[in-house]
Amino acid sequence: GAVVSQHPSRVICKSGTSVKIECRSLDFQATTMFWYRQFPKQSLMLMATSNEGSKATYEQGVEKDKFLINHASLTLSTLTVTSAHPEDSSFYICSAPPSGPSTDTQYFGPGTRLTVL
Amino acid sequence: DQQVKQNSPSLSVQEGRISILNCDYTNSMFDYFLWYKKYPAEGPTFLISISSIKDKNEDGRFTVFLNKSAKHLSLHIVPSQPGDSAVYFCAASLAGETNFGNEKLTFGTGTRLTIIP
Repeated sequence: GAVVSQHPSRVICKSGTSVKIECRSLDFQATTMFWYRQFPKQSLMLMATSNEGSKATYEQGVEKDKFLINHASLTLSTLTVTSAHPEDSSFYICSAPPSGPSTDTQYFGPGTRLTVL
Repeated sequence: DQQVKQNSPSLSVQEGRISILNCDYTNSMFDYFLWYKKYPAEGPTFLISISSIKDKNEDGRFTVFLNKSAKHLSLHIVPSQPGDSAVYFCAASLAGETNFGNEKLTFGTGTRLTIIP
């Protein structure tokens, strides 16, 4: 079955540094990928929609200059947390629909745990 | 490989009838299972969960059943209402694998539920 990977699985960094998280679709092409942040009570907040070949679409309240998204190819999207602060510590998950305009079916990555000291 | 599978990408149910969404998993170590509901352009929101020590958990119109021997869980919605139309994801987690107190989740690929008035 289709798999989405994320790298790294966990990262610890100092406050003020930037961290890049990769999301890869391993056996399918994804023109669209989604980035989520996990919050208490199990909820996932949609941060942005990553579009191959064009700018990402950010949800309201998400700073696009802080959370830089680059969809470099049909199998790779990266999320860069710039000038990270302790409040950015969280679990970041990406997902990708396998093909076509429908985004109902989603393959989720295993997530990246970011800890900012 | 997908450890959590939702084999039905879509399901249509008449309003007032019972909706049954199914989910299978392969990792017998999973011990906590969750269902999420997702509307377009939003992140999945937590709906209901069940621990592996139980075989049923009920919350209002929503009931989740767990069959550990079959590695199968299902979500029953009764009676189904138009507002239940959404994409439903099941997810599973392992004991001790948490992120900032939240479960580390492995998601299925989703089932679109459409309630027909």
